[in-house]
Amino acid sequence: KAGVTQTPRYLIKTRGQQVTLSCSPISGHRSVSWYQQTPGQGLQFLFEYFSETQRNKGNFPGRFSGRQFSNSRSEMNVSTLELGDSALYLCASSSDGGPDYYEQYFGPGTRLTVT
Amino acid sequence: KQEVTQIPAALSVPEGENLVLNCSFTDSAIYNLQWFRQDPGKGLTSLLLIQSSQREQTSGRLNASLDKSSGRSTLYIAASQPGDSATYLCAVNGAGSYQLTFGKGTKLSVIP
Repeated sequence: KAGVTQTPRYLIKTRGQQVTLSCSPISGHRSVSWYQQTPGQGLQFLFEYFSETQRNKGNFPGRFSGRQFSNSRSEMNVSTLELGDSALYLCASSSDGGPDYYEQYFGPGTRLTVT
Repeated sequence: KQEVTQIPAALSVPEGENLVLNCSFTDSAIYNLQWFRQDPGKGLTSLLLIQSSQREQTSGRLNASLDKSSGRSTLYIAASQPGDSATYLCAVNGAGSYQLTFGKGTKLSVIP
């Protein structure tokens, strides 16, 4: 079974621009979560989607948004980029039930650099 | 608000040594605790998941224990190898939530 995939893997953007990151979960997984990882703050939860609905949201400004499609693929968008948005953005998927219920499987991440 | 702490922040050991990584959390109302490994610049690899009703889980040379009442977990690595060098993260989630709260991690270096 293929793992979680994220595209693109690397991205360089300029302050003020916007960016869209994509995540394809493991086949059959319906929950997708997004995390931001920085050296100073570590891993922080952004939001979680299940069946195209946002179920949970972390403490990030409204510039950070996401959505989930009917095939469970998810995108996150950051508008009006700031230098502090430079980070590794990780996506995780989980199954809904079964023996590994709640276990999170992470993708390789998208490294975003804002200049 | 749940807080997760990992001690030590960094650890260097000679190859072959057994070692213990520590994780503590402030709110004992957790549903799962998960240990991950992260290689530099890479994503997270799930190592072990312990449900709140369990006391420990084992996978190969790894053994994780959970003491929910005291808010502690340990990851025991037996006979360490240079390939074990990585950052180890623990994370918890509450009942009904997929949101993970992470510790800052322990950076492990195994010296050949």
